[in-house]
Amino acid sequence: QVQLQQSGPGLVKPSQTLSLTCAISGDSVSSNSAAWNWIRQSPSRGLEWLGRTYYRSEWNYDYAVSVESRITISPDTSRNQFSLHLNSVTPEDTAVYYCARVLAAAGLDYWGQGTPVTVSS
Amino acid sequence: DIQLTQSPSSLSASVGDRVTITCRASQTIRTYLNWYQQKPGRAPKLLIYAASSLQSGVPSRFSGSGSGTDFTLTINSLQPEDFATYYCQQSYGTPTFGQGTKVEIK
Repeated sequence: QVQLQQSGPGLVKPSQTLSLTCAISGDSVSSNSAAWNWIRQSPSRGLEWLGRTYYRSEWNYDYAVSVESRITISPDTSRNQFSLHLNSVTPEDTAVYYCARVLAAAGLDYWGQGTPVTVSS
Repeated sequence: DIQLTQSPSSLSASVGDRVTITCRASQTIRTYLNWYQQKPGRAPKLLIYAASSLQSGVPSRFSGSGSGTDFTLTINSLQPEDFATYYCQQSYGTPTFGQGTKVEIK
């Protein structure tokens, strides 16, 4: 059974970096058939895919155009987890952030529990 | 980005009803369309992938159809636990989601 456990702060100051981690159990971040995603949800923007990382002989990264200048997703094979870093945050980045897995391009089948993040001074 | 438009935005239905939700893509996405159910305070749950494949463990009253730009999620014999918000999502290009359809109790 795959489980994704999210951790990270719920409050970030404007202009700082939002950092969240998603710990994986029951699968491997280095899997050759999975992709590891970050998605956020807010009342104003709905569900918004932010980016993903996946391993296919080498590490690959895809990011949403809306955040690509500010986002980094990093796999950590030693801890079997992956992280989201979103810099220069503004109140518009306030949302619930989720990590999720895609297996063999068949939909986001496992999700983390969600982390509400507020950007405020 | 590929835009997904769901209709209706909300609907009221009774237990036992058949419910249909549609999702239209701004360009062809072949069958790269997934459906999710979300309840308040919970993460979305995958129901249907690749337009018509039922995710393991999902009741058979849920079904999906369509290809190209027009897709449908059908719930046969609506159950009390089905009152929730439903989203479509495309994986043909950069992933995007529909705006959601809230299914409420009549």
